[in-house]
Amino acid sequence: GEDVEQSLFLSVREGDSSVINCTYTDSSSTYLYWYKQEPGAGLQLLTYIFSNMDMKQDQRLTVLLNKKDKHLSLRIADTQTGDSAIYFCAESYGSSNTGKLIFGQGTTLQVKP
Amino acid sequence: EAQVTQNPRYLITVTGKKLTVTCSQNMNHEYMSWYRQDPGLGLRQIYYSMNVEVTDKGDVPEGYKVSRKEKRNFPLILESPSPNQTSLYFCASSATGEKLFFGSGTQLSVL
Repeated sequence: GEDVEQSLFLSVREGDSSVINCTYTDSSSTYLYWYKQEPGAGLQLLTYIFSNMDMKQDQRLTVLLNKKDKHLSLRIADTQTGDSAIYFCAESYGSSNTGKLIFGQGTTLQVKP
Repeated sequence: EAQVTQNPRYLITVTGKKLTVTCSQNMNHEYMSWYRQDPGLGLRQIYYSMNVEVTDKGDVPEGYKVSRKEKRNFPLILESPSPNQTSLYFCASSATGEKLFFGSGTQLSVL
């Protein structure tokens, strides 16, 4: 079945770049997403990429998509302590719009001052 | 302000006592869904709704019910809660079934 895998933890120093990686299995997904969850809060849609794109840049965020390898990454430039959170990779479920996303387990990003 | 509102934020209950978690969105979205978040498992979809009076099961529907009588509301009902339903619950809405917007979550503990 559909599966999304992420590493569980990443630690970086403030000012460095962070790269969070994700692999997925459903090649028919229309969109792939990155959500951010701060402690005690809900999930915030951080950015997303359409499946026919290779890259999307949005200020400090860069999303790279390698469809051949089914690999998605999120790069955060100049990482700040406020970026400390759990980051979830998600793919839409197939090509039908059911409001269903398949989520990875989440990567906890720790930013050290 | 566009938002998805869940209530309550925290809930402690006992096994077997029926409860309802409410969810409301003010964006006129067609799609609404419920997810539960458990450590190490990410988020899993419980139920979803594509429009008023149209609901369907997600991946983990056992022990839950939903209803969609109005476009803005999508309550989650636990008829007889059990300890394995202790979890963090999120309601989400979307205009197209993509790009979900989430509520702030409901932390449920069933004793």
